[in-house]
Amino acid sequence: DQQVKQNSPSLSVQEGRISILNCDYTNSMFDYFLWYKKYPAEGPTFLISISSIKDKNEDGRFTVFLNKSAKHLSLHIVPSQPGDSAVYFCAASEVGEYGNKLVFGAGTILRVKS
Amino acid sequence: DGGITQSPKYLFRKEGQNVTLSCEQNLNHDAMYWYRQDPGQGLRLIYYSQIVNDFQKGDIAEGYSVSREKKESFPLTVTSAQKNPTAFYLCASSKTGYTGELFFGEGSRLTVL
Repeated sequence: DQQVKQNSPSLSVQEGRISILNCDYTNSMFDYFLWYKKYPAEGPTFLISISSIKDKNEDGRFTVFLNKSAKHLSLHIVPSQPGDSAVYFCAASEVGEYGNKLVFGAGTILRVKS
Repeated sequence: DGGITQSPKYLFRKEGQNVTLSCEQNLNHDAMYWYRQDPGQGLRLIYYSQIVNDFQKGDIAEGYSVSREKKESFPLTVTSAQKNPTAFYLCASSKTGYTGELFFGEGSRLTVL
């Protein structure tokens, strides 16, 4: 039972345009959401995050939007660049008895065409 | 430079053999994690540890074992009981009490022949 879902396995965007990556979750106890970027044969690197008490967080070309009522978040990249081509993972944080842990979605492959 | 070091990067093993993946961090983080990545399934949590000498099972712990004898080290053993061990394994660490940002190593790819 996937608690974090990224329903689009891949996305192709023209350089300079907006990339929108989507993520849905089912667990209302998640209190923090993160996006990670991953290149082949490397570990994921942190990109941007948002607390559940906010609905938007912006960092340069990257903006994350959170819609708690819909249990949905999205990552916007504007403008998209060829170097943004990677796998993007959505993750949600849950604080449990033994500390916090992240639950990841399956990832979306973003291809930015020049 | 501070970071997480995983070794080996590539590993081959025969069926029935145990293998241990190394993970070392010099970030002074209390918490460490092991994830497994399979195509189309994202990252799944195997084991995690919040402090030395303590660790907890994640979502797919069967066939794996860990130890946390030192703060800097969190080795993962893939035992012969793991039915489908071929995968990309990722180690991560974080500050205790932090809301969620993990720092990842570069991963170890295990192939069972």
